[in-house]
Amino acid sequence: NAGVTQTPKFQVLKTGQSMTLQCAQDMNHEYMSWYRQDPGMGLRLIHYSVGAGITDQGEVPNGYNVSRSTTEDFPLRLLSAAPSQTSVYFCASSYSTRNTGELFFGEGSRLTVL
Amino acid sequence: AQKVTQAQTEISVVEKEDVTLDCVYETRDTTYYLFWYKQPPSGELVFLIRRNSFDEQNEISGRYSWNFQKSTSSFNFTITASQVVDSAVYFCALSEAGGGRDDKIIFGKGTRLHILP
Repeated sequence: NAGVTQTPKFQVLKTGQSMTLQCAQDMNHEYMSWYRQDPGMGLRLIHYSVGAGITDQGEVPNGYNVSRSTTEDFPLRLLSAAPSQTSVYFCASSYSTRNTGELFFGEGSRLTVL
Repeated sequence: AQKVTQAQTEISVVEKEDVTLDCVYETRDTTYYLFWYKQPPSGELVFLIRRNSFDEQNEISGRYSWNFQKSTSSFNFTITASQVVDSAVYFCALSEAGGGRDDKIIFGKGTRLHILP
């Protein structure tokens, strides 16, 4: 099993460009989420989903869109990138819809917005 | 709203010393889950432990131990006889599981631990 796979691992964007960070898991997990990690700020939740067709906002959702059309995939879209979105992004999934289980993380995607 | 506070931003200890990482949480739910994760210099996030709000027993796993005290809303993590390989950023996290769709996991800002040889 591959676990949680994020692509790309590195990306450089110019301000105003759009892009999608892909996240796929092969563990049949219902719960998926996106975090961003910035120095001194820990891991902050962007969006999460408790199942296909259901998404909710986390702590810092502005500037990001998500959708969950399948159980396996949970892409994160930046519609108009800003330098403030320079960060390391982690996708995570969990077997429990009540989010009581451990999170399985992808390897992270480092995004730089110039 | 749920909140996790890790007041220690950075800690340095000499190898073989014991070290405790503090975690204080806030929640209105009576049912919740607490977690610790480790992020070594390589960057991946590694699950260490999960504890539910109804189980206040302390847990020990090798050199690692966790002290959960509901009375002080704390879930502290102690490393005994620290080793250089313990150098990492450690995150405490909280999930409220009282019902509904608000089932998100919120993390603290992390504590960076340096174990000096």
